[in-house]
Amino acid sequence: GQQVMQIPQYQHVQEGEDFTTYCNSSTTLSNIQWYKQRPGGHPVFLIQLVKSGEVKKQKRLTFQFGEAKKNSSLHITATQTTDVGTYFCAGPDNYGQNFVFGPGTRLSVLP
Amino acid sequence: EPEVTQTPSHQVTQMGQEVILRCVPISNHLYFYWYRQILGQKVEFLVSFYNNEISEKSEIFDDQFSVERPDGSNFTLKIRSTKLEDSAMYFCASVLVARNEKLFFGSGTQLSVL
Repeated sequence: GQQVMQIPQYQHVQEGEDFTTYCNSSTTLSNIQWYKQRPGGHPVFLIQLVKSGEVKKQKRLTFQFGEAKKNSSLHITATQTTDVGTYFCAGPDNYGQNFVFGPGTRLSVLP
Repeated sequence: EPEVTQTPSHQVTQMGQEVILRCVPISNHLYFYWYRQILGQKVEFLVSFYNNEISEKSEIFDDQFSVERPDGSNFTLKIRSTKLEDSAMYFCASVLVARNEKLFFGSGTQLSVL
């Protein structure tokens, strides 16, 4: 079946450092979504990417969809303590009906 | 922003007991989902529901699980005979119109099976 993988599993950074998480799918994706889950919270939608090579920015967050539409990345510039949480990518399953979540990257930001 | 509401926030039960987890999706949303997350692990799809019937279910969603939309607003997940490994956070989610739109998650129900 389809698999969505993410690396790294954990990332500890000093406040102000940059952070990147990478997402890879075993199959080509029609679109990809990113979610953030704060500790003890629920996943909250961040963004959806649809086009090959698409790049979107939200303040300090930059999202990219690969040319082959099999990988994606999330880059955070100058992390803040409010960025702490787990970042999940999610892609449609083989039927295109439901989203399969990657295992997530847990970000810790040290003040 | 509208919210998906889940009750209870915590549920403790004995192994073998039945539990019902409740969700009120956003009112004009058409697709409903249950996901679960074992502590520290990824969010796993259980089942999707559309037009009053299951549209897709995962391998996890075996005969012990069932879903229902009894009254047009509530969306429930029932586990008939809970097992220790059912202990997890259960999230309800809904989507407005199309399956590839963003998921709105509820705050979850933490189920502990003793």
